[in-house]
Amino acid sequence: GEDVEQSLFLSVREGDSSVINCTYTDSSSTYLYWYKQEPGAGLQLLTYIFSNMDMKQDQRLTVLLNKKDKHLSLRIADTQTGDSAIYFCAESSGTYKYIFGTGTRLKVLA
Amino acid sequence: ETGVTQSPTHLIKTRGQQVTLRCSSQSGHNTVSWYQQALGQGPQFIFQYYREEENGRGNFPPRFSGLQFPNYSSELNVNALELDDSALYLCASSLDHRSTNYGYTFGSGTRLTVV
Repeated sequence: GEDVEQSLFLSVREGDSSVINCTYTDSSSTYLYWYKQEPGAGLQLLTYIFSNMDMKQDQRLTVLLNKKDKHLSLRIADTQTGDSAIYFCAESSGTYKYIFGTGTRLKVLA
Repeated sequence: ETGVTQSPTHLIKTRGQQVTLRCSSQSGHNTVSWYQQALGQGPQFIFQYYREEENGRGNFPPRFSGLQFPNYSSELNVNALELDDSALYLCASSLDHRSTNYGYTFGSGTRLTVV
């Protein structure tokens, strides 16, 4: 079946790097996404990666994909207090729906 | 360019009642998807509408139904509300129904509380 798992919490100091991890089960996943949700808000697309890529970098964000292990990670360089939020990993096999993880709550300490 | 707007932002209903939630898609987007996000959970797919037709459905009972209008706005209707229906309901629009490679644009959601 389709399942996406994430650790629930991560706490880092301001200026450090954050690494949020995600594992998924669907081997037909074509696209993998990272979304950010701030309190009381909807989901904001941060970045995505195609399954034929290993890495994608976008400013402070680096996404690594290990397709063999079905493992996805999001690294945030120079983490700021404004990065405090819940981060969701999601996968899609190119059809109409996403499968979301349960989210990782990132807390950035000043 | 406007994003996805949802109304109302908050709603309290009594068990057994019916509710209608509304969504205006982003300009140029013809596909609308609805997700339910229970407290502390990730969003769960309810269904998707493309050109006024249901294009796919998740594991939700028939009392969850929807509509899409010619202007691509959409409604989510829930009948016979249950306490477990309390959640944040998210609407998302996208350029294309076939592939999610463009990514969704999400609204801020409607917080539904059933008492």
